[in-house]
This record gives sequence, C-alpha cells and structure tokens, in this order.
Amino acid sequence: DTEVTQTPKHLVMGMTNKKSLKCEQHMGHRAMYWYKQKAKKPPELMFVYSYEKLSINESVPSRFSPECPNSSLLNLHLHALQPEDSALYLCASSQEPGGYEQYFGPGTRLTVT
Amino acid sequence: TQLLEQSPQFLSIQEGENLTVYCNSSSVFSSLQWYRQEPGEGPVLLVTVVTGGEVKKLKRLTFQFGDARKDSSLHITAAQPGDTGLYLCAGGGDRSNSGYALNFGKGTSLLVTP
Repeated sequence: DTEVTQTPKHLVMGMTNKKSLKCEQHMGHRAMYWYKQKAKKPPELMFVYSYEKLSINESVPSRFSPECPNSSLLNLHLHALQPEDSALYLCASSQEPGGYEQYFGPGTRLTVT
Repeated sequence: TQLLEQSPQFLSIQEGENLTVYCNSSSVFSSLQWYRQEPGEGPVLLVTVVTGGEVKKLKRLTFQFGDARKDSSLHITAAQPGDTGLYLCAGGGDRSNSGYALNFGKGTSLLVTP
C-alpha cells in the first residue's frame, strides 16, 4: 500500500480564519513533506519532517505552521493567509529521510478569499 | 539548488503517435524520478533511475538515465488519451538525514487526443 491521504480535498477560507490541513500515511515512512503547487508550476518544498522532527523549513512565512503529532500524521496549520496563498497543498512521504522516492497524496485545493 | 530543464514544455499529439520528453541538468544526480500528475491530483511516481545508462520500461513507457547521470528521457510508444497529464522529472538535492529535498523540473504538459 503506497497511499498517502489528505483531508480536506477542498478548502475555502477567509483571511482571518484558522484552519488545518491533515495528512496521513501508514507505510511506516520516517520522512514527511509539505509542498505548495501553483497552477501549471512544479511543486515547491515547504517543510520536511525527519523522524517526527522538523528538519527543513524553506523560509516559509509563519502563517504556515507544521506539526507532526506522530510518525503517521502531518498537519499544516493555517492562519491569517493571503489570497496569493491559494494553491494545491501536497503532502508526501518517503521511507527514510534520505530515501529516493517520495509518495504524494492527492492534495488539498486551498482558496483564500 | 540543482536545476532541471524539461523539454518540451507543452506537447499535443494524436493517439498512436510516439513522443520523447527530456530532462537535462548541468549537475550530477544520485537519482532521478519521473512523476505523472493529473489536474487537481498529486504526482504519481512512475519510476526511479539510479545507475548511469540505466533503462527501465513500464508498459509503453521507456525511461533512460544518461551515462553521466545529468539527464534523463521518457519515451512513450503509441500514446493513448489516458497518458494525458503533466510529466515531472525530479532529482534530489543533498541526500542526508535531514531529508531528501526533491528539485522538480517545470514539467511537460502532454495532451493526447483520440
């Protein structure tokens, strides 16, 4: 089973709202990732969690706050977002932090109004 | 950041035609991955190539890693409408215990019409 699940599938939020994106994998992978993807562009790395600890933060604004409650779950907390933050947010995982292959979830389509 | 250049950026062909997509870099990669992404969905891993000169086949798709591990190609034989999507090549940055940050090419958007 190489499935990564993400909820919700779609999210519309106002600029003053607080919401969370959720990601789950049951493959025993020890690295998990958040990517942001704008239309017709490749995914851009936001965060990397390695053994449940934040190991890479690609200079992401503090209005995005990641959390890794356990080895299977990854959250992305959103607060005071801007319209330009509207995008497809992708979660991925790999067997090891140095693993070659990343498996992606279906993404959350976020619209900030 | 190791840059990956993909070409062509867009490709529109008829069902049954063959095509090749290229992924090039001036940097050496320890591995390259190819993904296919459909609109509104996440990328799906197709293949990983690791060894210079390696060729892998996945049904009608043939993947090749350059001898110097700086480039890769994806060849599709007898394309079908189901092959439509965004094809992304990706290669790793530094492989360390801190994570393996994939660098993506800009993608090739393929449309196969019946």
